[in-house]
Amino acid sequence: SYELTQPPSVSVSPGQTARITCSGDALPKHYAHWYQQKSGQAPVLVIYKDSERPSGIPERFSGSSSGTTVTLTISGVQAEDEADYYCQSADSSNSYVFGIGTKVTVL
Amino acid sequence: QLQLQESGPGLVKPSETLSLTCTVSGGPVTSSSYYWGWIRQPPGKGLEWIGTIYYSGSTDYNPSLKSRVTISVDTSKNHVSLKLSSVAAADTAVYYCARAIRQYYDRSNYYPDWFDPWGQGTLVTVSS
Repeated sequence: SYELTQPPSVSVSPGQTARITCSGDALPKHYAHWYQQKSGQAPVLVIYKDSERPSGIPERFSGSSSGTTVTLTISGVQAEDEADYYCQSADSSNSYVFGIGTKVTVL
Repeated sequence: QLQLQESGPGLVKPSETLSLTCTVSGGPVTSSSYYWGWIRQPPGKGLEWIGTIYYSGSTDYNPSLKSRVTISVDTSKNHVSLKLSSVAAADTAVYYCARAIRQYYDRSNYYPDWFDPWGQGTLVTVSS
């Protein structure tokens, strides 16, 4: 079955930049989306269609794509950004798949 | 502001059918722009897409769950329902409903749906 690969964890100091990657063979053909999930809460959409930011999401969140990898970048990380981050896309039959999630720790 | 609220039994016995309802407030489920999805998350684990429905009744299901899943919409009550049959312990999870945004790029093809917003989720435990 199709998989989206994410690093299990990323650690970053406040004010620095966090980059979270998501790799998958179908990503050159399908957009990816990103969700933030804080402890005990429902996921929140932070990036859609690789790089679009929904209204209300801070500008420090951005997304990019290159080949089989998409990247979520958090610039000027704040303590409130500590959360799990999931990428989501589709496989060749348009079934939706989520990555395993990346835990971002703010040191 | 659109809000979604999941409800249903928190405990289901093995081999029985899990039934949940997602009540939508702040907008109609019949909006032509949106679909409605169910996603689940086992305790301490990642997210798994269950399926998506349009108000017309058109559905897409995760192939790994398709034989056991039924998603329906009740436009008179403005809610979306999920039924999962023959449950086992592996179906223990927090179940979320979410609005799905679908954007077509030609007559029949569309980008992967994205989900926004989500309900708060409801924990369903499968145990005897």
